[in-house]
Amino acid sequence: GAVVSQHPSWVICKSGTSVKIECRSLDFQATTMFWYRQFPKQSLMLMATSNEGSKATYEQGVEKDKFLINHASLTLSTLTVTSAHPEDSSFYICSARPGSGGSGREQYFGPGTRLTVT
Amino acid sequence: TQLLEQSPQFLSIQEGENLTVYCNSSSVFSSLQWYRQEPGEGPVLLVTVVTGGEVKKLKRLTFQFGDARKDSSLHITAAQPGDTGLYLCAGVLLVFGKGTRLSVIA
Repeated sequence: GAVVSQHPSWVICKSGTSVKIECRSLDFQATTMFWYRQFPKQSLMLMATSNEGSKATYEQGVEKDKFLINHASLTLSTLTVTSAHPEDSSFYICSARPGSGGSGREQYFGPGTRLTVT
Repeated sequence: TQLLEQSPQFLSIQEGENLTVYCNSSSVFSSLQWYRQEPGEGPVLLVTVVTGGEVKKLKRLTFQFGDARKDSSLHITAAQPGDTGLYLCAGVLLVFGKGTRLSVIA
């Protein structure tokens, strides 16, 4: 149980275009989803917290107009990187926290999406 | 800001050796989580520790939460090549340590 999927697993796009990444909780409902970015050989950096039906909460230094987050249902959150630039190239990982069950502290990670902007 | 320091950052050992990875903070955490991440994949939750002084075992992995809930350790006994990966600790506010990259050589 507690499986989170991401799509696509990798994407290459041209500078200036927008890319949408989907994060789905497959076997549980997630009232809260999280988006992280990870650069090579570095740890995860939290970008934003996404709550179903409300606006996302962005971490300091993360541009909300550039990284659009939509959490339209209890099983789906999307991250859209708008007007992507090469410096946005990174490994984007989402996680989801079950709305019920468990200790309320666990989060389950998706497999990540590798974005390369050329 | 709650910060988590992990040490060592890199560790390369021979198969069969034991090792300990540390996660330290000046802040008190209500819980800490340990994850393992393999290249190109998302982190996988190993354990959550909640109570100060708590010890949890997962096969050859032993996790300990400090009495003051400011630090935690992960001890691996008789490491196997399959233990190779990036080990991350995380606090309840989703702050991650920088990780310990473990390489176990057969």
